[in-house]
Amino acid sequence: NAGVMQNPRHLVRRRGQEARLRCSPMKGHSHVYWYRQLPEEGLKFMVYLQKENIIDESGMPKERFSAEFPKEGPSILRIQQVVRGDSAAYFCASSPLNQPQHFGDGTRLSIL
Amino acid sequence: ELKVEQNPLFLSMQEGKNYTIYCNYSTTSDRLYWYRQDPGKSLESLFVLLSNGAVKQEGRLMASLDTKARLSTLHITAAVHDLSATYFCAVERNTDKLIFGTGTRLQVFP
Repeated sequence: NAGVMQNPRHLVRRRGQEARLRCSPMKGHSHVYWYRQLPEEGLKFMVYLQKENIIDESGMPKERFSAEFPKEGPSILRIQQVVRGDSAAYFCASSPLNQPQHFGDGTRLSIL
Repeated sequence: ELKVEQNPLFLSMQEGKNYTIYCNYSTTSDRLYWYRQDPGKSLESLFVLLSNGAVKQEGRLMASLDTKARLSTLHITAAVHDLSATYFCAVERNTDKLIFGTGTRLQVFP
């Protein structure tokens, strides 16, 4: 059973471009979570999704950031018009209902 | 709002010594986790603690939970260099998200 798959592992964007980060949950997991880790800091919750629904987006910046988890395909975290401050590691986790979360290897986003 | 505090933030210890990392949280929780993170890597799950008085041990690491005091500890016994990493505690409530502590960067030297 493959773990949580994130891609790309590394992503470089120039300021003003769009970044798309993908997360395929473990088989049988219907809950997906996104976290952001700034350098030298802990992980910060961003958003919690179930299939086709956003359950909790209290950690998402109000502008430029969006997330989806469609009925088919991976969850996508989208950052529009990226700025230098968006440089971070973005981790996805998945879980079945009421079970511990399993983390992917993360996407390291660098903004030039 | 649930807050999680860890201390110390940095810990430099000699091989063979013992030490404890502390994790305090502000409100009731469903589960408490300890993770290890090596530089540039993902999180490795170490322990999941569910109930008051829970104690789990794996090798040189032992984690405990006191829900009344809202405190968890990660005890390191006879440290070795391979334990050098950053350790995070995280608290889960209502199974909707994890709130992480600031992390403890552990450096073990000969």
